[in-house]
Amino acid sequence: GNSVTQMEGPVTLSEEAFLTINCTYTATGYPSLFWYVQYPGEGLQLLLKATKADDKGSNKGFEATYRKETTSFHLEKGSVQVSDSAVYFCALPPNTGNQFYFGTGTSLTVIP
Amino acid sequence: NAGVTQTPKFQVLKTGQSMTLQCAQDMNHEYMSWYRQDPGMGLRLIHYSVGAGITDQGEVPNGYNVSRSTTEDFPLRLLSAAPSQTSVYFCASSYHGGRYNEQFFGPGTRLTVL
Repeated sequence: GNSVTQMEGPVTLSEEAFLTINCTYTATGYPSLFWYVQYPGEGLQLLLKATKADDKGSNKGFEATYRKETTSFHLEKGSVQVSDSAVYFCALPPNTGNQFYFGTGTSLTVIP
Repeated sequence: NAGVTQTPKFQVLKTGQSMTLQCAQDMNHEYMSWYRQDPGMGLRLIHYSVGAGITDQGEVPNGYNVSRSTTEDFPLRLLSAAPSQTSVYFCASSYHGGRYNEQFFGPGTRLTVL
């Protein structure tokens, strides 16, 4: 069945450090892939997405490239800020059926 | 647009009590869902609906009921609360359940069952 495996956290980085959060997926067909972000005390909001192989999603300095050959969608940011402290979720929307699949979330703390 | 709204934000129940978590959206979305979020377990799907009058079970439906009488509203009922239902509950909606549609989330309800 469909599933998403996400890098375990928590992750603590200094401001301006490079960030990578790994995400791999299992799915039939050609799914879309999403990254969501959850700031403290809030619901999840879409950060970026890619809808086909080799697509690069980007937003707020974050990027992720849909790699079909490695079934991966790793999240990266070149220089993190304190305001990026949040929990990040990789997600697989339904290709067939109706269920979205979420990773377990990776907590990021950026220290000044 | 208010987006997805949830009430209450916080709730404390005693074991055996019942309550309804409210969820509403004003985006005319067909697909709505309820998740619970627990430490180390990410989001787990409780129930979902693909349109008014249609509901289905997700990964962890036991102890919860839902109904969808209108497109806008999707309440979640706990019939007899148990401590294992202590969690943060999120309602989400999307235009439909397809591969291109992002889900929009409400702010969550933090529930504690004593």
